[in-house]
Amino acid sequence: GENVEQHPSTLSVQEGDSAVIKCTYSDSASNYFPWYKQELGKRPQLIIDIRSNVGEKKDQRIAVTLNKTAKHFSLHITETQPEDSAVYFCAATVQGGSEKLVFGKGMKLTVNP
Amino acid sequence: DGGITQSPKYLFRKEGQNVTLSCEQNLNHDAMYWYRQDPGQGLRLIYYSQIVNDFQKGDIAEGYSVSREKKESFPLTVTSAQKNPTAFYLCASHDRDGNEKLFFGSGTQLSVL
Repeated sequence: GENVEQHPSTLSVQEGDSAVIKCTYSDSASNYFPWYKQELGKRPQLIIDIRSNVGEKKDQRIAVTLNKTAKHFSLHITETQPEDSAVYFCAATVQGGSEKLVFGKGMKLTVNP
Repeated sequence: DGGITQSPKYLFRKEGQNVTLSCEQNLNHDAMYWYRQDPGQGLRLIYYSQIVNDFQKGDIAEGYSVSREKKESFPLTVTSAQKNPTAFYLCASHDRDGNEKLFFGSGTQLSVL
């Protein structure tokens, strides 16, 4: 089955710096890779996703890249702000298959003002 | 924050007791999921259901049971066989028609007395 590894587990940056979160997956059939953000005490919410037919997707200050050959994908946050502080989860699944989304263990991002 | 509702927000279980966590959605979603969240462990899948009257075990199903008698409802029972039930439980749903975005409930914190 699918296994998703995420690193680092914690990251602390200064406001305005960039942050990068990296994930690897094991199932070469996986074709959908979402990222979720969970603020303290709140439910996870989807912030961006990418499908295997593209290599990069951007939405304002966040972007995700996918390398299918190496089976890894990354989340990039530029010009970080204190409100970016949260736990970020990557996930992977096979669309049209079992639809069982497998999550990484999460990364706690702290943006210091 | 409507759409998917979990109750109760906090639940306490006595040793040897079964407890049931409620999850209701009014999004007309076919697929529903139960995740367990422990600190540093990410989101681990307990059970999922892609259609009414059908469900599959996730990665950590032992000690849990579910039912899916109605499209809107996917209750999770934590049985006495689950020896370490203290965790944050998240229910989620999504539409199977090509949109894999998961909508999460606000969660139930289960603790053992």
